[in-house]
Amino acid sequence: DVKVTQSSRYLVKRTGEKVFLECVQDMDHENMFWYRQDPGLGLRLIYFSYDVKMKEKGDIPEGYSVSREKKERFSLILESASTNQTSMYLCASSPLRTGRYNSPLHFGNGTRLTVT
Amino acid sequence: DAKTTQPPSMDCAEGRAANLPCNHSTISGNEYVYWYRQIHSQGPQYIIHGLKNNETNEMASLIITEDRKSSTLILPHATLRDTAVYYCIVRVANTNAGKSTFGDGTTLTVKP
Repeated sequence: DVKVTQSSRYLVKRTGEKVFLECVQDMDHENMFWYRQDPGLGLRLIYFSYDVKMKEKGDIPEGYSVSREKKERFSLILESASTNQTSMYLCASSPLRTGRYNSPLHFGNGTRLTVT
Repeated sequence: DAKTTQPPSMDCAEGRAANLPCNHSTISGNEYVYWYRQIHSQGPQYIIHGLKNNETNEMASLIITEDRKSSTLILPHATLRDTAVYYCIVRVANTNAGKSTFGDGTTLTVKP
């Protein structure tokens, strides 16, 4: 079974702090994604990566950066946390191809970040 | 990726079939329909996906209309543990990561 592990379940940070959210997957997936989830707004894609050291912006990349130094690990970085970044952050992974297009996404259980 | 429309909420009696509709009228020929669900305080969980044929697995059945403009997820015997938010999304087929657009989904409440 695919396992996507997010390092923290709950996190409280102060405004202006640099915040690292870590995600590790154990299935050798090429693709990894970061979403944020807010009531009434659904899941919104922040960044994704389809290979080591590769990244692409999603729909709401402002205020975030990412790092993919190893295939299994995808980090989301908030350079200077702000209160409007208080949210649930979800990491997901999927293989590039499995013989059928569009393999499903496998999600972690999320990190609930509160910025005070 | 095509946009999807789902009803915001639905109720279902325990033991009965839950039929969750999804409209994706702008779907293109190479886009698959995916269903996920999110139980409270957990990440979304993949349920099923399909292109144009009906699909069934141990969790659910997926019925896609012939014109592919809508689909229905069927949970044949809903239980209280099926209470969750259900997301219908479509994803473009390519060799790189597809961007999945999750809307607000349908909140399914299974009642005893």
